[in-house]
Amino acid sequence: ETGVTQSPTHLIKTRGQQVTLRCSSQSGHNTVSWYQQALGQGPQFIFQYYREEENGRGNFPPRFSGLQFPNYSSELNVNALELDDSALYLCASRLQGTGSPLHFGNGTRLTVT
Amino acid sequence: GQQVMQIPQYQHVQEGEDFTTYCNSSTTLSNIQWYKQRPGGHPVFLIQLVKSGEVKKQKRLTFQFGEAKKNSSLHITATQTTDVGTYFCAGENSGYSTLTFGKGTMLLVSP
Repeated sequence: ETGVTQSPTHLIKTRGQQVTLRCSSQSGHNTVSWYQQALGQGPQFIFQYYREEENGRGNFPPRFSGLQFPNYSSELNVNALELDDSALYLCASRLQGTGSPLHFGNGTRLTVT
Repeated sequence: GQQVMQIPQYQHVQEGEDFTTYCNSSTTLSNIQWYKQRPGGHPVFLIQLVKSGEVKKQKRLTFQFGEAKKNSSLHITATQTTDVGTYFCAGENSGYSTLTFGKGTMLLVSP
């Protein structure tokens, strides 16, 4: 069973730039969620995708966008980076349906300077 | 929107002491899940509670879900240094099928 993999592991960007983070879901999982975790904080829900459509979104501006592909892999795109976007970005996959646990990847550490 | 609060934020105990973290949701939940994140790691699923008043045990860990399905607790008996990490509760609202995490309780255990 292949777990959730994310790339890259670390990234440094400049304010105003754009970034794309990638995630491969655990095999058999059809739902992917993205979370932002600032240092010392809990994961904050960005959005969730099921069958290539966004079916849930947290309190994040439109410059945070995503995609899910037919093979259930996913991308998180952030435009016009701000210093406060510096955080660990976690991808998690699960089977659709309430109660199924999230399986997290190791995350991408994004630093915006 | 749904909010999930956890207390305490941080606790430092001596090995062998007990530890409890509490979780409260602003809305009734369909289920609550608990995760553990080791320093430098990612959250790892521990358990899920679904029924009102449910109690589940995993070795030294005891999880409870409140009668109103709005609060939960995790109790660790006789902590060990391997228990170090941050414990998060995450509540799911059936209307949204998404998980909202609390800010977590960081546990430090001194030998």
